[in-house]
Amino acid sequence: EVQLVESGGGLVQPGRSLRLSCAASGFTFDDYAMHWVRQAPGKGLEWVSGISWNSGSIGYADSVKGRFTISRDNAKNSLYLQMNSLRAEDTALYYCAKGLKRSWAFCYFDYWGQGTLVTVSS
Amino acid sequence: QSALTQPPSASGSPGQSVTISCTGTSSDVGGYNYVSWYQQHPGKAPKLMIYEVSKRPSGVPDRFSGSKSGNTASLTVSGLQAEDEADYYCSSYAGSKGGVFGGGTKLTVL
Repeated sequence: EVQLVESGGGLVQPGRSLRLSCAASGFTFDDYAMHWVRQAPGKGLEWVSGISWNSGSIGYADSVKGRFTISRDNAKNSLYLQMNSLRAEDTALYYCAKGLKRSWAFCYFDYWGQGTLVTVSS
Repeated sequence: QSALTQPPSASGSPGQSVTISCTGTSSDVGGYNYVSWYQQHPGKAPKLMIYEVSKRPSGVPDRFSGSKSGNTASLTVSGLQAEDEADYYCSSYAGSKGGVFGGGTKLTVL
């Protein structure tokens, strides 16, 4: 059974940093792209970032480019999101999502975690 | 403002069919066959219903179907059932912009 478990969310002040983690199990982690997708309270979904199976290709939404960094450790079956210079508009539930293929560019997400809540507020 | 445009709401009676549209541009929906659809029940994570415009993952009922014409993709739910009531989101690859979603459509089963 595929499982994705996010952690690392919490309350953080504007301008500060936070690192999210996603522990994956139940599938061959290094065979698939991985993504972060967020959802602000009561709002729709927003793709944040994607990373290919071997970290060779990475993409970011314009809203986070230059502030967020996605990475993965295939030896640990883990995905990460380093979030710097956080803003109030980054407040959201952050989902870790598995891609269907090795490239992140297809942007399909067939399994999702339950999310970790990030609140940016002073 | 979302990159892809969906109607905020749609409805139908049990057994009927309903179609939800998703309009983009030639830089996303119209430029790639990488359109997907997600179902989200309140308080739950989204679930993939359609990918590559019209393909269904295993376990998704064949009552759900997808199509695309030009810059507009569509999700059709046939034989509506009470459990189909949920929010539905479309998504597309958008080249250098990465992935983009629609604003979501709340489907009500009357």
